[in-house]
Amino acid sequence: EAEVAQSPRYKITEKSQAVAFWCDPISGHATLYWYRQILGQGPELLVQFQDESVVDDSQLPKDRFSAERLKGVDSTLKIQPAELGDSAMYLCASSLTVSKYGYTFGSGTRLTVV
Amino acid sequence: GEDVEQSLFLSVREGDSSVINCTYTDSSSTYLYWYKQEPGAGLQLLTYIFSNMDMKQDQRLTVLLNKKDKHLSLRIADTQTGDSAIYFCAESVIGLGGGNMLTFGGGTRLMVKP
Repeated sequence: EAEVAQSPRYKITEKSQAVAFWCDPISGHATLYWYRQILGQGPELLVQFQDESVVDDSQLPKDRFSAERLKGVDSTLKIQPAELGDSAMYLCASSLTVSKYGYTFGSGTRLTVV
Repeated sequence: GEDVEQSLFLSVREGDSSVINCTYTDSSSTYLYWYKQEPGAGLQLLTYIFSNMDMKQDQRLTVLLNKKDKHLSLRIADTQTGDSAIYFCAESVIGLGGGNMLTFGGGTRLMVKP
């Protein structure tokens, strides 16, 4: 079964350091999403890509967060500098289109900022 | 923005039925979804319902949709200990960038006692 791959699985970083997460969506899925899930809450959308273009980044804290999907396939989410409040699970998802299949999520990257 | 709300916690005995409730706000949602999240893992799509349906049954899962009240429920029959997880309700909405996105509730933690 096709999966959304994310790495690393866990990341511990000191505040003010830079950190990056990687996502490889299911082959052929044009739409890619990055969600942030704070412990005890539901996921919240950070950024949505259609191919290599950003569709929605209204909830992305652009002073410290950046996301790219240069060739319209895999994507990188970066935080610089990291803050204590950035500790969360970062989930990547992909989809063909909005449908009964929803999104397929990766296993996530759990970030701890110390 | 849209709000999806769920109760925080539900405890049932093994073999009983579980009912998890959700309210949403966007009446234009095309699909509504239920996702399951086990500890430390990503989100797994359990089932969905198209917005013009009232009910959908899928093995032990029954989804009920009341569009008038914007109320969605998930019933799990013969609940097993392996069903213990967090369950998220999600609706498809049009984001600020014009693309389809999912908005999630805060999740309901289901605990199944042997």
